[in-house]
Amino acid sequence: NAGVTQTPKFQVLKTGQSMTLQCAQDMNHEYMSWYRQDPGMGLRLIHYSVGAGITDQGEVPNGYNVSRSTTEDFPLRLLSAAPSQTSVYFCASSYPDEAFFGQGTRLTVV
Amino acid sequence: RKEVEQDPGPFNVPEGATVAFNCTYSNSASQSFFWYRQDCRKEPKLLMSVYSSGNEDGRFTAQLNRASQYISLLIRDSKLSDSATYLCVVNREGNQGGKLIFGQGTELSVKP
Repeated sequence: NAGVTQTPKFQVLKTGQSMTLQCAQDMNHEYMSWYRQDPGMGLRLIHYSVGAGITDQGEVPNGYNVSRSTTEDFPLRLLSAAPSQTSVYFCASSYPDEAFFGQGTRLTVV
Repeated sequence: RKEVEQDPGPFNVPEGATVAFNCTYSNSASQSFFWYRQDCRKEPKLLMSVYSSGNEDGRFTAQLNRASQYISLLIRDSKLSDSATYLCVVNREGNQGGKLIFGQGTELSVKP
């Protein structure tokens, strides 16, 4: 029972570097989302997808790109990392109302 | 103003106490409502959905007032294991699942 798998669990990046956070789900859910969580801010929606080939922006999309070529995978790309992107990132897969989260990626940008 | 706002925490209560969390949402078109629980440094997990008629799950009772755009969670007979952060969550798009909006969370600490 893998559920939602996120990799890596921890990452340190230098300012300006790019990277991709991976997210995969094996529940055949149409809906997937990326959130970031900062102290005192709760989870904020970055991007979401309602199915393969369809993505849309959430509350805080700047600096991030997503694509959804398959139902299973929903990678999040940081184009040019900035210290403000230091955060914990959660990927979620949903059907119909319940969201299942990955274990999170703790990203530090120095 | 955040779209979903919760009581500021932390709430520190003794075992056996009753504690209530409140939440307001600003988008009147919101369709579905939930409480999630998040343990320290872990992923959030669904605690319960919230229905207009109110619903109960053991020691937990959730209420929704659409007219006031207000959601509540009541925990009776608090246990040490209830210590966690409770997140109020709103789905703008009904049973779509994709666009959940989270409140900032309320931390609960239950003491012996």
